[in-house]
Amino acid sequence: GQQLNQSPQSMFIQEGEDVSMNCTSSSIFNTWLWYKQDPGEGPVLLIALYKAGELTSNGRLTAQFGITRKDSFLNISASIPSDVGIYFCAGRRGNYKLTFGKGTLLTVNP
Amino acid sequence: NAGVTQTPKFQVLKTGQSMTLQCAQDMNHEYMSWYRQDPGMGLRLIHYSVGAGITDQGEVPNGYNVSRSTTEDFPLRLLSAAPSQTSVYFCASSYRQGQGEAFFGQGTRLTVV
Repeated sequence: GQQLNQSPQSMFIQEGEDVSMNCTSSSIFNTWLWYKQDPGEGPVLLIALYKAGELTSNGRLTAQFGITRKDSFLNISASIPSDVGIYFCAGRRGNYKLTFGKGTLLTVNP
Repeated sequence: NAGVTQTPKFQVLKTGQSMTLQCAQDMNHEYMSWYRQDPGMGLRLIHYSVGAGITDQGEVPNGYNVSRSTTEDFPLRLLSAAPSQTSVYFCASSYRQGQGEAFFGQGTRLTVV
């Protein structure tokens, strides 16, 4: 089946630092989504990308849909303690089904 | 506006028992889906529905049944629980195709002993 390679698996950073994570695939996707999951909660949609090359921001978060349609990245600027959590990418190839990456665990040290 | 509501939040079953995980949304969303989340595996799609009366299989459907008799409800049934079904289950919904799973429930943590 389709696979998404999400990296890094985990990150330990200091408050105020910028963060970058990405997802790559051998398959082309028509939609890329980024989610955040807090402990004991369901994932929350952060950013949705629908066009190759699209660059979208949501506050301190910026995500891009790769030109090749096989990758996407998420940047978080000036991290704060509440950014802690697991970040997931997800891709769709035109039907309803999403394929999720395995997640990036972010820890922010105050 | 409650969003996506899942019940129960926690459940312990014995092998072979059956149960239904409930999912309801009050946003009139067409699309609903069920995922399971296991350590190091991300979220994997079990079943999904594009509207009342329509369901289809996802990536890992074996051992699970679903139905969609109303727009609001999308229950997930385990007919004969197995230890391999120990997981956290999430229900999700979105307004229409292509929008992405905009809303997830808080999850049901299921343990099968």
